[in-house]
Amino acid sequence: AQKITQTQPGMFVQEKEAVTLDCTYDTSDPSYGLFWYKQPSSGEMIFLIYQGSYDQQNATEGRYSLNFQKARKSANLVISASQLGDSAMYFCAMLDYGGSQGNLIFGKGTKLSVKP
Amino acid sequence: DTEVTQTPKHLVMGMTNKKSLKCEQHMGHRAMYWYKQKAKKPPELMFVYSYEKLSINESVPSRFSPECPNSSLLNLHLHALQPEDSALYLCASSHLFPAFGNTIYFGEGSWLTVV
Repeated sequence: AQKITQTQPGMFVQEKEAVTLDCTYDTSDPSYGLFWYKQPSSGEMIFLIYQGSYDQQNATEGRYSLNFQKARKSANLVISASQLGDSAMYFCAMLDYGGSQGNLIFGKGTKLSVKP
Repeated sequence: DTEVTQTPKHLVMGMTNKKSLKCEQHMGHRAMYWYKQKAKKPPELMFVYSYEKLSINESVPSRFSPECPNSSLLNLHLHALQPEDSALYLCASSHLFPAFGNTIYFGEGSWLTVV
């Protein structure tokens, strides 16, 4: 069965420093997509970054980058130069084109707190 | 700013009330979704509409009734809910379903409290 694991329930980072949020996934399908979403306490689920399983290069979007290690089945999110507004819950999710029938499989999330 | 708009932001309803949650997107997407999220949990899929037809119903109780009047609008009609239905309800959309190679965008959510 498809599965997403986020092993860090909570993390702290100092403002202006970089932080890595871990995500590992499990699927037997060669075609899949990996997403990271940010959810502030207001509730909105904000799309951050996407990585396809056949993409040759790691995805980047501004201060966000995805460290994609296919052989290890990991898709860690790196946030550079943390800001106070980055404090939120972060979800890793996978879209498995074969097994999940188009459903996003979410991890349990990591709560990031940025300290001034 | 999100391009998926949900109303109302907050809703308090009694167990005998009938209310609706509304969702709208103007990105030309043909797939729309309803998710339910309980506190400190990830979202769980409830329904998926593709080209205005119901594609997935994740065994959701009939007190939740989805409706897709057109490709831009998605409603969730609520009737005879239970207190345990209190949650954040998230609407989402994508270009197509399944969202092969394209992003699923979420709205701001509607916080529902059933009293």
